[in-house]
Formats: sequence, structure tokens, C-alpha cells
Amino acid sequence: KQEVTQIPAALSVPEGENLVLNCSFTDSAIYNLQWFRQDPGKGLTSLLLIQSSQREQTSGRLNASLDKSSGRSTLYIAASQPGDSATYLCAVKAGGFKTIFGAGTRLFVKA
Amino acid sequence: GAGVSQSPSNKVTEKGKDVELRCDPISGHTALYWYRQSLGQGLEFLIYFQGNSAPDKSGLPSDRFSAERTGGSVSTLTIQRTQQEDSAVYLCASSPGLAGLTDTQYFGPGTRLTVL
Repeated sequence: KQEVTQIPAALSVPEGENLVLNCSFTDSAIYNLQWFRQDPGKGLTSLLLIQSSQREQTSGRLNASLDKSSGRSTLYIAASQPGDSATYLCAVKAGGFKTIFGAGTRLFVKA
Repeated sequence: GAGVSQSPSNKVTEKGKDVELRCDPISGHTALYWYRQSLGQGLEFLIYFQGNSAPDKSGLPSDRFSAERTGGSVSTLTIQRTQQEDSAVYLCASSPGLAGLTDTQYFGPGTRLTVL
């Protein structure tokens, strides 16, 4: 059974700091991995999708890496801003159609 | 273009009543997903549609839950005889397809269901 764990559960950093969010999964046979952000009371916004054959994806200040063999992904946020404050969710899709989400990391960037 | 929309945004109902939640996916998206997010919990997969068929219903918590999709577009999630433990935010997502980056899921704002 696929399980997705995100560490840390919460993180508070000063503005401008670079930071790394971690995601681990128990079954390496994944189809893809997706990072989302969720703002309070809102739906999810897709940030990056990494296919199983890829090692990383980049979008602006965000970089996501994938190491299937070790069951790990990281989301790197460069030069953090207060607007980055949100909950960041990692989601893994294995064979089939079910997407398994982690519990998320709540990020607070202090101005 | 328009994103995924869901209605109603909030629904308060009494225990034992039936409710219907609606999802309008992004036009042209063939894949549609329903999830549930309970207070303090992660997202829980409920059901997946490809076109009008649901090849994966494995996440539906009980036979009180059902969903359908018509015309490859709008989907309705129905909860019969609601219970207090059904209270949650129900999220819908759609994606263009299943291959590669077309598998990116786009989420609606959710329907907050409260069962009294």
C-alpha cells in the first residue's frame, strides 16, 4: 500500500531564505509525482509535475526533484516571499488512477 | 479560460438527508477526480472518471456514496442518508488526459459539506 509522508509538518522562515520541503513514498513504482500548494479555504494549485522518467522540474523559483529508487522528492523554493505562505502537498500516482496525497507542509514566510 | 467549478460552495444539511455536489471540469478535459478533505486530514481519493466511465471507484467510503458523469463533462457526487462523519470539503479535479504532463490535475475550489 502506497503511503506518502511529508516532513516537516510545519515550517517558519524569514523572507529571502531558501528552503527545502521533503516528500517520501513507500512504493517506488510510481507513474508521476505532483506538488501542489493550498491556500486557506481554497482549492489546490498545481506547481510542478514530475513524470517517473524524469529527475527534476523547474518553474521560476521552484525546483522539484525525484529519486524513485529511494522513494523521495524534494521541493526547493528559492528566495522565499511572504506570498509563498501556504500548505504544500505532495501527491503520488501509482499504476492505475488513484492519487495518494501526503498530509502537507504548512509554510509561513515572515516579512 | 475558465477553471474547474464546483457547486454549491457550501452545503449544510441534516443527518439522514441526501445531497448532490456538482463539478464542472475544464472544457475538453477527459479525466475527472473526486477527493474528500476532512478537518485536519489529508486529501482522500474517492473516484476517478475517464470520459463517462469510472474505472476506479475504490475510494468511495460506503454504498451511500455514488457518482456519475454525463456527456464527458459535468459530474455529480451523491451522498445518501448523510452522516455527521461525511462533513468535509469535497474537491473535484480534472486533467486533459493520462499521458505525461497532460496528467496534471487542476482543482476546483471545493464544496464544504456540513452535516448537522
